[in-house]
Amino acid sequence: DAGITQSPRHKVTETGTPVTLRCHQTENHRYMYWYRQDPGHGLRLIHYSYGVKDTDKGEVSDGYSVSRSKTEDFLLTLESATSSQTSVYFCAISLTSGSNEQFFGPGTRLTVL
Amino acid sequence: GENVEQHPSTLSVQEGDSAVIKCTYSDSASNYFPWYKQELGKRPQLIIDIRSNVGEKKDQRIAVTLNKTAKHFSLHITETQPEDSAVYFCAAPFAGGTSYGKLTFGQGTILTVHP
Repeated sequence: DAGITQSPRHKVTETGTPVTLRCHQTENHRYMYWYRQDPGHGLRLIHYSYGVKDTDKGEVSDGYSVSRSKTEDFLLTLESATSSQTSVYFCAISLTSGSNEQFFGPGTRLTVL
Repeated sequence: GENVEQHPSTLSVQEGDSAVIKCTYSDSASNYFPWYKQELGKRPQLIIDIRSNVGEKKDQRIAVTLNKTAKHFSLHITETQPEDSAVYFCAAPFAGGTSYGKLTFGQGTILTVHP
């Protein structure tokens, strides 16, 4: 599993509340990614990181922010959750520098009521 | 960025039959094409990949073929078994510049293998 964990694994929250999801890796990988998975859309990239404090937007970044203050943790924040952000969120890492081979964490199921 | 189209969206086969899933991509510079399998409630897992310097790659009952001219690649599963039932995703690298390992995924194919 490439040493990737996500927390929490399940969360139910209300519209308008802030939510932070955590991705933790133990193997010092430089590249990390956040995806959301929705039926009919596959996996869509939200944000990614190419190093500590180096992050950039993916294809569906509106309403999300990220931070990476240390190599092992990549945080995804929904500043004010909306029902459209109900989804399963996956974190992923690349095993080698610049490689496209990605390995995924176990996922977080988020429900926004 | 890259545009990846995956077909079919659902595929139903009898145990022992073959299954083929096809993806097309838009960026002729793309050079890496992975396939992921996702079982219900689990994470996507890399099952096979191919790089643009080869046309076919096999691993036991699964194979991937790549046609760079036509810009499509396919997953082939032979002698299907019920445990092959899952959602399968193809992917291709984001186009242009330094991709930082980013991938664009297809929409997924739900494969059901009937005993």
